[in-house]
Amino acid sequence: AQSVTQPDIHITVSEGASLELRCNYSYGATPYLFWYVQSPGQGLQLLLKYFSGDTLVQGIKGFEAEFKRSQSSFNLRKPSVHWSDAAEYFCAVGPSGTYKYIFGTGTRLKVLA
Amino acid sequence: NAGVTQTPKFRILKIGQSMTLQCTQDMNHNYMYWYRQDPGMGLKLIYYSVGAGITDKGEVPNGYNVSRSTTEDFPLRLELAAPSQTSVYFCASIPTRTGRNSPLHFGNGTRLTVT
Repeated sequence: AQSVTQPDIHITVSEGASLELRCNYSYGATPYLFWYVQSPGQGLQLLLKYFSGDTLVQGIKGFEAEFKRSQSSFNLRKPSVHWSDAAEYFCAVGPSGTYKYIFGTGTRLKVLA
Repeated sequence: NAGVTQTPKFRILKIGQSMTLQCTQDMNHNYMYWYRQDPGMGLKLIYYSVGAGITDKGEVPNGYNVSRSTTEDFPLRLELAAPSQTSVYFCASIPTRTGRNSPLHFGNGTRLTVT
């Protein structure tokens, strides 16, 4: 069965520190992978996506993610976190069948000043 | 373009009441989706539509109905509201012509409380 796992429910980092959010997936074919960010009271905004080619993808707001097929992972990274990065982050895979996307349960990021 | 617009932003319902959550997009997207978001549960697909006149169930369709009479609009109907339907609801769409790497475009959500 297709699934996405985000093992960290909450992460707290200090401003200026590096960040890595984990995402593992289970998918029968070549996956299309996405990271979204959700600020409080807002919808989800696309940070970056991977569907082929270079396994290191760059996104908006200084984020990047690396696709590792051998580990079935698509971890999100940022070298230096800003207070405005505090939000909830969702990893997603898809689409399967008739364009259905599967979301992880999210990681809530807290940034300490 | 306004993108995906959801109304209302907030609503409180009493048990047994009905309501319609509105969703409209002005991007001429064929595929539209309704998700609900509960704390710690991520997003669960309620219903989706591949075009006007065509809808199908997602993971958690019970208690909901949808219709798609136009490309732009995809309303979600709750007939007999129950406390279990307290959630944040998101509508989303994708431009299917760009293929399977299309990201979802989300509305800002409707926060529904059933008491």
